[in-house]
Amino acid sequence: SQELEQSPQSLIVQEGKNLTINCTSSKTLYGLYWYKQKYGEGLIFLMMLQKGGEEKSHEKITAKLDEKKQQSSLHITASQPSHAGIYLCGLSGGYQKVTFGTGTKLQVIP
Amino acid sequence: EPEVTQTPSHQVTQMGQEVILRCVPISNHLYFYWYRQILGQKVEFLVSFYNNEISEKSEIFDDQFSVERPDGSNFTLKIRSTKLEDSAMYFCASSEASGGATQYFGPGTRLLVL
Repeated sequence: SQELEQSPQSLIVQEGKNLTINCTSSKTLYGLYWYKQKYGEGLIFLMMLQKGGEEKSHEKITAKLDEKKQQSSLHITASQPSHAGIYLCGLSGGYQKVTFGTGTKLQVIP
Repeated sequence: EPEVTQTPSHQVTQMGQEVILRCVPISNHLYFYWYRQILGQKVEFLVSFYNNEISEKSEIFDDQFSVERPDGSNFTLKIRSTKLEDSAMYFCASSEASGGATQYFGPGTRLLVL
């Protein structure tokens, strides 16, 4: 069974538009990671959320954690072509392994 | 900025051959990991390694796989007798600590088994 579901699976937006990616867990969220995957660059760490209600921002990317809904959202403001890639949420296993979601492929059209 | 490096970037091998994938983790990190991603599928955890021992492994990590830290800088994944289904991108990662510490990933090695 899927532990982490991401939506949408893919997204095409016009440059300058805002967008939101969601990650829903079937298990209690103790900690959630957001990574961006680009071909040839591996997984690039964006941020980690550990507490319910926590919100973090990095440049134009903001992530929130809703512990009650077992959900996290990633919001990009004024998207740019450099934001294109695959966004992955990852569940901290409490010990060491990270369980990743299904991924959201983002394309930004200039 | 320190980063995880992996070699080779691409490897093609014949089924049944042994392959060794190499990683150089970030120098002050103590925990090391291997993940794989079959084309079009999720990134999957294989194994974690600390203090020269495997600390956790998935059901994917069977007897055909082994990991080693042969010296103070390298961390390797060996597949003894490759199968077609081992074709995937293999990512190495490292972290300063366990229990939710951020894992930093390398660029990956794309393995193709023919």
